[in-house]
Amino acid sequence: DAGVIQSPRHEVTEMGQEVTLRCKPISGHNSLFWYRQTMMRGLELLIYFNNNVPIDDSGMPEDRFSAKMPNASFSTLKIQPSEPRDSAVYFCASSSSGRDIQYFGAGTRLSVL
Amino acid sequence: GDSVTQMEGPVTLSEEAFLTINCTYTATGYPSLFWYVQYPGEGLQLLLKATKADDKGSNKGFEATYRKETTSFHLEKGSVQVSDSAVYFCALIPSNDYKLSFGAGTTVTVRA
Repeated sequence: DAGVIQSPRHEVTEMGQEVTLRCKPISGHNSLFWYRQTMMRGLELLIYFNNNVPIDDSGMPEDRFSAKMPNASFSTLKIQPSEPRDSAVYFCASSSSGRDIQYFGAGTRLSVL
Repeated sequence: GDSVTQMEGPVTLSEEAFLTINCTYTATGYPSLFWYVQYPGEGLQLLLKATKADDKGSNKGFEATYRKETTSFHLEKGSVQVSDSAVYFCALIPSNDYKLSFGAGTTVTVRA
């Protein structure tokens, strides 16, 4: 299996622009997680999907952030409008069940200028 | 809430030295415990795990034992290599939840 695939690997954008991050989980996994990693706050869980349904979005920082999972093989995290404080590395992870091992993608490094 | 505390870094070692990274946790019941490793520019990879008391997880020469009495899950390796240079995260999933709680991470640098 190719593992969790994220795109793009790097994204540089200007403040106010819309940013869309993409994730393809491991085939057969029914749980998907989006995380944000920063030096100041470490790893933060943003949102958790189970069977394509958002279960917990309490970590989404504000309304500018939204996430979707239209099918079992694809998820997006969108930031609109983006701000410099959104600069971070965003990881997607998937697991075969909510409490099983989470497998992480390589991440998207976002820089908002 | 449930949480993990791990020793702060950075840690700098010479090749073939012994490595220990301390990790303690606070949780009700019996959480599952993990060590993840993050190499430069990459995502997190599972290094090892333990799901019940006295379990020992091991992988790539690393070991950690789930100690319920001391609420600890310390990571050890007897002889490190330059390729072990990375950030190591201790983490837990509570027994009744799905949220993976991470420690702050410990940066390890191994010099040749």
